[in-house]
Amino acid sequence: NAGVMQNPRHLVRRRGQEARLRCSPMKGHSHVYWYRQLPEEGLKFMVYLQKENIIDESGMPKERFSAEFPKEGPSILRIQQVVRGDSAAYFCASSPTGAGNYGYTFGSGTRLTVV
Amino acid sequence: QKEVEQDPGPLSVPEGAIVSLNCTYSNSAFQYFMWYRQYSRKGPELLMYTYSSGNKEDGRFTAQVDKSSKYISLFIRDSQPSDSATYLCAMGGSGSGNTGKLIFGQGTTLQVKP
Repeated sequence: NAGVMQNPRHLVRRRGQEARLRCSPMKGHSHVYWYRQLPEEGLKFMVYLQKENIIDESGMPKERFSAEFPKEGPSILRIQQVVRGDSAAYFCASSPTGAGNYGYTFGSGTRLTVV
Repeated sequence: QKEVEQDPGPLSVPEGAIVSLNCTYSNSAFQYFMWYRQYSRKGPELLMYTYSSGNKEDGRFTAQVDKSSKYISLFIRDSQPSDSATYLCAMGGSGSGNTGKLIFGQGTTLQVKP
């Protein structure tokens, strides 16, 4: 079992570019969560997706951020026109059930640096 | 006021000490309580999961939940240098509308010195 796979591990983007972060959930998991961790802060919920559906996007910034989890392939978190404040570690987690209250399995994260 | 408060530390203890980590929260709807361990530059790893009030023990780790006080704790017995990490508490609700979103504390950085 390969666990939750995130790539790339590190991503550097210039201001104004687009960032695409990928997450492949654990085998058999169809629920994906994205969290952001700013320096010296805990994880902040961004979005919860099931295959082809966004279930809860209450933590997503209203502009520039979007997420998808297609029928085939990984979940994608997309940040358009990145700014320095987007620099953070982005973690994906997966769960076999929708509630997610049995504890997620997290990936190792993508560290985004905006220069 | 944050929904979940956790002292960021750092907390430094000698090897073999008993470590106590704590979180307080304000939302009485929380029913699920977790502790995650995060090593530097790694993803969080689930350590303990408890539902509602009570205690749960797993090896050297004990999690306690006191819903009446809105207070949760993680105890580590016979701490080891390999326990040096950041410990994050996390909480989730239940009932209709619960999407499994977790609210995390800021994390407490623990250093266990040999």
